[in-house]
Amino acid sequence: EAAVTQSPRNKVAVTGGKVTLSCNQTNNHNNMYWYRQDTGHGLRLIHYSYGAGSTEKGDIPDGYKASRPSQENFSLILELATPSQTSVYFCASGDWDSSGNTLYFGEGSRLIVV
Amino acid sequence: AQKVTQTQTSISVMEKTTVTMDCVYETQDSSYFLFWYKQTASGEIVFLIRQDSYKKENATVGHYSLNFQKPKSSIGLIITATQIEDSAVYFCAMREGNTGYQNFYFGKGTSLTVIP
Repeated sequence: EAAVTQSPRNKVAVTGGKVTLSCNQTNNHNNMYWYRQDTGHGLRLIHYSYGAGSTEKGDIPDGYKASRPSQENFSLILELATPSQTSVYFCASGDWDSSGNTLYFGEGSRLIVV
Repeated sequence: AQKVTQTQTSISVMEKTTVTMDCVYETQDSSYFLFWYKQTASGEIVFLIRQDSYKKENATVGHYSLNFQKPKSSIGLIITATQIEDSAVYFCAMREGNTGYQNFYFGKGTSLTVIP
């Protein structure tokens, strides 16, 4: 069973402050993802990575940066947090072959920006 | 345009009955993969079941099964003999197989309440 762990699980940040959400996976998956979940929007992709050193923009990357320093770790960075970034953030990992496989999700990180 | 659409926002059913949740998708790829995920009240998101587009047989796992209607671009989730613990939000998702963009497209979810 893939293990994806996120930290912190809960965070209150001030507007304009810097926030870093961290994700660690222990299943040696190449692909990692950051989603945010908001009522009425479902899961939306912010950034993703194909492997160490790579980051790609997803559907809603504005205001976010990502970092993939190693196979196991993938961080989401909010340089200047805004109240609109209050949300629940999910990290996920997965590898793909011809059979499709699936995503494994972390527990989620609840961020409140005041 | 939304690639994955779940039109049912919420459903309530009596315990031990069967429920079907609808999902339609949109893709130009000849190969794709369809998934259903469950999000529990604690927020945990878990994978339930998958259907590969090239397979004609409907996938079944435990008391979850799929109704795959390819001509209609539809992938319904069927839960038989529902239990209280099936109460959750269910997400449909699609991954296109012929593109380098390794994204999953998610529907907005259907909230299921199982009434004892």
